[in-house]
Amino acid sequence: DAKTTQPNSMESNEEEPVHLPCNHSTISGTDYIHWYRQLPSQGPEYVIHGLTSNVNNRMASLAIAEDRKSSTLILHRATLRDAAVYYCILREGWGNAGNMLTFGGGTRLMVKP
Amino acid sequence: NAGVTQTPKFRVLKTGQSMTLLCAQDMNHEYMYWYRQDPGMGLRLIHYSVGEGTTAKGEVPDGYNVSRLKKQNFLLGLESAAPSQTSVYFCASSYSGGYVSPLHFGNGTRLTVT
Repeated sequence: DAKTTQPNSMESNEEEPVHLPCNHSTISGTDYIHWYRQLPSQGPEYVIHGLTSNVNNRMASLAIAEDRKSSTLILHRATLRDAAVYYCILREGWGNAGNMLTFGGGTRLMVKP
Repeated sequence: NAGVTQTPKFRVLKTGQSMTLLCAQDMNHEYMYWYRQDPGMGLRLIHYSVGEGTTAKGEVPDGYNVSRLKKQNFLLGLESAAPSQTSVYFCASSYSGGYVSPLHFGNGTRLTVT
């Protein structure tokens, strides 16, 4: 299975943009890149996903490298509520293997007021 | 707007005791999942279900059983609890198993086995 590599932790100042990197050098052509985040004492929460093109939604933007070996989750203005563990996950786009979301260690984002 | 509800929220068991964790979703989702999360680690898939009456093994199924008798409920059973099963258990559901169907998680059950 293709794996992802993320920094263990990052810090940001409130109201500044945050760029959370993810490396996935063994990604296959059918793998979608998903991001979830987990706030303290809560279950994970879906953030965004993409395949090749950059994606935007109300929570964040996802920038995907042209060779798809890396991606970056962008929070445009960090708030204290964005302090969480962010997981970058590859999800196969077909078959029952798509059920097997594999969560690694993620990046713990700390936001300073 | 309940989403995914897990009961109980906390439980302490003695080694060898049994218990059942209940997950209920009100979104009419076909797929449901049970994950466990150990301190400082990511989530690992225990079992999942692709529809009422079906179940399948995930990454770490040993010591657990599951049932999906009704579409909205997914039960996780521990027949003989062991200290190694001390963990936080998360249930999730999704509309389908495809890549465009995000998982919706409950807020977890914290289980301690002494």
